[in-house]
Amino acid sequence: DGGITQSPKYLFRKEGQNVTLSCEQNLNHDAMYWYRQDPGQGLRLIYYSQIVNDFQKGDIAEGYSVSREKKESFPLTVTSAQKNPTAFYLCASSIASGRTDTQYFGPGTRLTVL
Amino acid sequence: GDSVTQMEGPVTLSEEAFLTINCTYTATGYPSLFWYVQYPGEGLQLLLKATKADDKGSNKGFEATYRKETTSFHLEKGSVQVSDSAVYFCALRRAGYQKVTFGIGTKLQVIP
Repeated sequence: DGGITQSPKYLFRKEGQNVTLSCEQNLNHDAMYWYRQDPGQGLRLIYYSQIVNDFQKGDIAEGYSVSREKKESFPLTVTSAQKNPTAFYLCASSIASGRTDTQYFGPGTRLTVL
Repeated sequence: GDSVTQMEGPVTLSEEAFLTINCTYTATGYPSLFWYVQYPGEGLQLLLKATKADDKGSNKGFEATYRKETTSFHLEKGSVQVSDSAVYFCALRRAGYQKVTFGIGTKLQVIP
């Protein structure tokens, strides 16, 4: 079955630590995205990538970093510079970045900073 | 910039009631419009979409019509079930623009 996997489902981090969230897709999609979801704020775009070895900042990129070394993988690192990292993180992919292209989402990772 | 407006809710309905969740948007050009659904603790799933004016998207008894004159894409279902309890997101995607703009999501609670 094709789809998007995110791991881990729950992640706990101490303040001052970096942590990396995994996102893998086997849909052969070119475009991949990371969103942050907070109560009452909907989804906010952190980073996106249209092609391997290329990515762009979204609306709230400060304190986050990404890489896109393989088409299937788009890991997100939450650095210690992110002031309020506790949130639900969603990875998504789409065939391309066209107007009609549907985004497909993974199950999410809930990050809690202790 | 682009924006999508929907009520946060919660919207509470009895089983078999009629559902309407309003969605209005602001965008230049001719965006595609989407409804996504999120069940507790899960990611978002596409529910339906419409890519041009007057198109009607439909799936699982849900419908929404792309109304360019009123910049709206309201979600409707004739008879809701307890299993429809979830958060519903309206979204748009504009040509030549990588970002998808989401509304804040409307929580629906259906009680038996």
